Amino acid sequence: GQQVMQIPQYQHVQEGEDFTTYCNSSTTLSNIQWYKQRPGGHPVFLIQLVKSGEVKKQKRLTFQFGEAKKNSSLHITATQTTDVGTYFCATSGTYKYIFGTGTRLKVLA
Amino acid sequence: NAGVTQTPKFQVLKTGQSMTLQCAQDMNHEYMSWYRQDPGMGLRLIHYSVGAGITDQGEVPNGYNVSRSTTEDFPLRLLSAAPSQTSVYFCASSYGGGAGYEQYFGPGTRLTVT
Repeated sequence: GQQVMQIPQYQHVQEGEDFTTYCNSSTTLSNIQWYKQRPGGHPVFLIQLVKSGEVKKQKRLTFQFGEAKKNSSLHITATQTTDVGTYFCATSGTYKYIFGTGTRLKVLA
Repeated sequence: NAGVTQTPKFQVLKTGQSMTLQCAQDMNHEYMSWYRQDPGMGLRLIHYSVGAGITDQGEVPNGYNVSRSTTEDFPLRLLSAAPSQTSVYFCASSYGGGAGYEQYFGPGTRLTVT
């Protein structure tokens, strides 16, 4: 079945450094969603990308969907301690959502 | 709106016991789903429902049953708990399943089976 691989699994950064997580698939994706889960919390929807090459920004967060629609990235500029958490990518078919394994981000003050 | 609610927040079961995890949403969403989250494995879909009376299996359905008698409620039943079912369980809902719809997650139930 369809799988999405996410790297890295963990990332520790100093506050103020940039951070990027990548989501890769061997098959073409119809869409990609990104979620954030704070420690001890539940996943919260951030954004959805559907078009080839699409780029969307939310303040310090930049989301990209690859030209071939097989990969996506989330980039955070100048991380802050509030960015701590696990970032998941997800894709959906007709009725099923498939989540990546997540990237856990730690920000050191 | 309360959004998606789940009860209980924590539960400890003995092997072989059964129980029901409750999930309710007040957003009139047609699509509801159950996930389990284990360390290093992300979220895996257990069962989902596209509307009252309609359910289907996800990626890891064995050992779990669901039913959907109303739009609001989507309970998850563990038939005979096993230690391998120790996990955090999240219920989610969305306006529709599939492409184009963000999922709203409940706060989760932490289940330990001894």
